Amino acid sequence: QLQLQESGPGLVKPSETLSLRCTVSGDPISSSSSYWGWIRQPPGKGLEWIGNIYHSGSTFYNPSLKSRINISVDTSKNQFSLKLYSVTAADTAMYFCARLGDVVISFDYWGQGTLVTVSS
Amino acid sequence: QSALTQPRSVSGSPGQSVTISCTGTSSDFGGYNYVSWYQHHPGKAPKFMIYDVSKRPSGVPDRFSGSKSGNTASLTISGLQAEDEADYYCCSYAGGNTFVFGGGTKLTVL
Repeated sequence: QLQLQESGPGLVKPSETLSLRCTVSGDPISSSSSYWGWIRQPPGKGLEWIGNIYHSGSTFYNPSLKSRINISVDTSKNQFSLKLYSVTAADTAMYFCARLGDVVISFDYWGQGTLVTVSS
Repeated sequence: QSALTQPRSVSGSPGQSVTISCTGTSSDFGGYNYVSWYQHHPGKAPKFMIYDVSKRPSGVPDRFSGSKSGNTASLTISGLQAEDEADYYCCSYAGGNTFVFGGGTKLTVL
């Protein structure tokens, strides 16, 4: 059974870097033909797609966040990571990692999410 | 790339049907039929309910159905049950390896 689990600090100071990791079990990222993605949900708001990565390292980002994000993959640990730079209070959100199916163009497996608060 | 537009809330009584709309522009949908729907109970992982506009993943009851006309996609839930009460989100592939989500709809089962 495929599982994804987000991890990282729950509190980040304004102007600093938010760093999260997603650990995947049940599907080797290195041999999977799926993409792996990050999605967030600010309090009281809807979901926002952040970006996706392939095991080769190819990345695709939300144009509105592109200048501040970096998504990377570590196939040896079966993990992928998100870095969001120069955060503000507007980046406070529940952050989810998910698998983008290779045949089904949808996010078919999700982590439970991790809440990140930006505050001094 | 702005969010797809969904009603903030819908409600229905057990056994009834409800439809949740998801409206965007032609560029939001990218000319593709890659619209998906997700059920989210707060505190849990979102659940994948519909893909490719109208297809159901294995295990999703056939009470859930999807459709699309022009720039509006819809999710219909028939035979409402108490456990259907949740937030629902639409998502579309917008081309160029990008995706856009809707603002979410809170379904209340009365």
